[in-house]
Amino acid sequence: DTGVSQDPRHKITKRGQNVTFRCDPISEHNRLYWYRQTLGQGPEFLTYFQNEAQLEKSRLLSDRFSAERPKGSFSTLEIQRTEQGDSAMYLCASSLTPTEAFFGQGTRLTVV
Amino acid sequence: QKEVEQNSGPLSVPEGAIASLNCTYSDRGSQSFFWYRQYSGKSPELIMFIYSNGDKEDGRFTAQLNKASQYVSLLIRDSQPSDSATYLCAVNQNQGGKLIFGQGTELSVKP
Repeated sequence: DTGVSQDPRHKITKRGQNVTFRCDPISEHNRLYWYRQTLGQGPEFLTYFQNEAQLEKSRLLSDRFSAERPKGSFSTLEIQRTEQGDSAMYLCASSLTPTEAFFGQGTRLTVV
Repeated sequence: QKEVEQNSGPLSVPEGAIASLNCTYSDRGSQSFFWYRQYSGKSPELIMFIYSNGDKEDGRFTAQLNKASQYVSLLIRDSQPSDSATYLCAVNQNQGGKLIFGQGTELSVKP
């Protein structure tokens, strides 16, 4: 499968726990994006990497959120001290140009 | 004012009709415009993108852009029940590729 891959697909965690999600982009894509989507809303931009450099972060990305893309390949998104408001679908997308961004299937996070 | 606005719907059309989905955006400097389709529980899937004023056609889909009015639309001809989904309008404001999405319009095509 040559699409964007995200792992895990579902995560249930207790409030206060840390969680980490992984995204494997399409292999030749140098741009990687993280978005968050809640029910009934469009995806909200969180952060963007070009190769290994994190070029932009949304103010939505509080200090509890951190993202990395070591070696410009896969990326991880960590949420520390999870809160119920963090419950959402976390989407990763990748692209070769600033045009056709392809999304992975997402990681659905539920904080209980 | 939201940066990208869409009517949430639901928009209901009969099978075979033309579905018209609309989107407005606030940043006049926006450079490119995208329509994504999202089935329930799935991730967004790119349908079309458009940069220049006017129409762009791809099969049953036509995207229309009017930068003066800050308006983007998507027409779906010969609508099918399989077109029933949420349609997301997205705007790229710079060269980075970051997309600003509207809340989506739910389309229902009735057989």
